[in-house]
Amino acid sequence: QKEVEQDPGPLSVPEGAIVSLNCTYSNSAFQYFMWYRQYSRKGPELLMYTYSSGNKEDGRFTAQVDKSSKYISLFIRDSQPSDSATYLCASEMDSSYKLIFGSGTRLLVRP
Amino acid sequence: DAGITQSPRYKITETGRQVTLMCHQTWSHSYMFWYRQDLGHGLRLIYYSAAADITDKGEVPDGYVVSRSKTENFPLTLESATRSQTSVYFCASEITGQRREQYFGPGTRLTVT
Repeated sequence: QKEVEQDPGPLSVPEGAIVSLNCTYSNSAFQYFMWYRQYSRKGPELLMYTYSSGNKEDGRFTAQVDKSSKYISLFIRDSQPSDSATYLCASEMDSSYKLIFGSGTRLLVRP
Repeated sequence: DAGITQSPRYKITETGRQVTLMCHQTWSHSYMFWYRQDLGHGLRLIYYSAAADITDKGEVPDGYVVSRSKTENFPLTLESATRSQTSVYFCASEITGQRREQYFGPGTRLTVT
């Protein structure tokens, strides 16, 4: 079993829809939770970062971490075609600096 | 230009050959990482380095060698390339501190024939 599991998709939604992307993890020691966005043939870039449980909002993006259920979510409001990319969740232990990535979910936002 | 660069961007090599992928960052970040990305596996850590002359294995280190004699450079060598090492390789760097953000290079697409 992988430490971080993610549905590979693809997920196709119309422009303006609310998108929900999810991951589960198995290691209780994970304390840092990130979402990276990766456009085709580019390197990943950090989108959202959360320490421990809770919600974090940045513009149209909201990241949620529920440590009791080991569940990580990313919500995208008013989705745009420019949001079409692969979204990778990642987790890390304290003092580790070693990211464990999910396999990524490919999102397509149709105009 | 400031940032993290990788070379070459594309490489085709034959089984058994030695290949070195280069990574250079201009920020003086302490940590540097090498990942490989394969369909269905996401990004997997090969090796990482906490500082010059300090390196450690990641999840999939077999068949790879790294060195870090200077803070800004972190080359990855495939000593005897195999077809299973066909992949996209990403280098990343991270500054130490509270915030966890790794900055990724553009990637090297390696094909082993």
